[in-house]
Amino acid sequence: GAVVSQHPSRVICKSGTSVKIECRSLDFQATTMFWYRQFPKKSLMLMATSNEGSKATYEQGVEKDKFLINHASLTLSTLTVTSAHPEDSSFYICSANSRDRASPEKLFFGSGTQLSVL
Amino acid sequence: LAKTTQPISMDSYEGQEVNITCSHNNIATNDYITWYQQFPSQGPRFIIQGYKTKVTNEVASLFIPADRKSSTLSLPRVSLSDTAVYYCLVDPSGGSYIPTFGRGTSLIVHP
Repeated sequence: GAVVSQHPSRVICKSGTSVKIECRSLDFQATTMFWYRQFPKKSLMLMATSNEGSKATYEQGVEKDKFLINHASLTLSTLTVTSAHPEDSSFYICSANSRDRASPEKLFFGSGTQLSVL
Repeated sequence: LAKTTQPISMDSYEGQEVNITCSHNNIATNDYITWYQQFPSQGPRFIIQGYKTKVTNEVASLFIPADRKSSTLSLPRVSLSDTAVYYCLVDPSGGSYIPTFGRGTSLIVHP
């Protein structure tokens, strides 16, 4: 299957700093990528939809100035958590949509990033 | 967007068959049903997808009745490594798709 690479897998930062998470589709072009946030023992919560070359669409309640999303190419989307605070500590997951694939598997997920803000 | 409902948790034992049912009462004509598996601290991974009747792959089977208002993921002879959270999603075959996850089913397989 296709591969989505997400880095870093784990990051610890001080409160007030910014953290960038990268999501790359390694062997396919992803016009759309999605960013999720997941708290322990909870489901994935969609944060935003990232479209290549255009502004991201944020879900209600997600601060676009807090969570900056850039989708500059068909294989790369980044999520930057700006001025991180302890309440931003969470597991962040990206996924990439490959709708032109013939196989039924069209949505591929990164391995996730555990963010811990001290 | 079709909402899905699944049991919150299930318990099983090694070697047993596990069936997890998902309700999607307002599924649309063009919607497919896709199941994902997620282990702790990992991203979800695709298990199986179907539209109607039965689909089988090397990992699982998916049963979908004629009215398509529900689907059942069947895991044959589970092992401890099948302990995970299982999500069903309704996936439109065309147009924009925003994958939204429900609560999922936490399956625990006991020795």
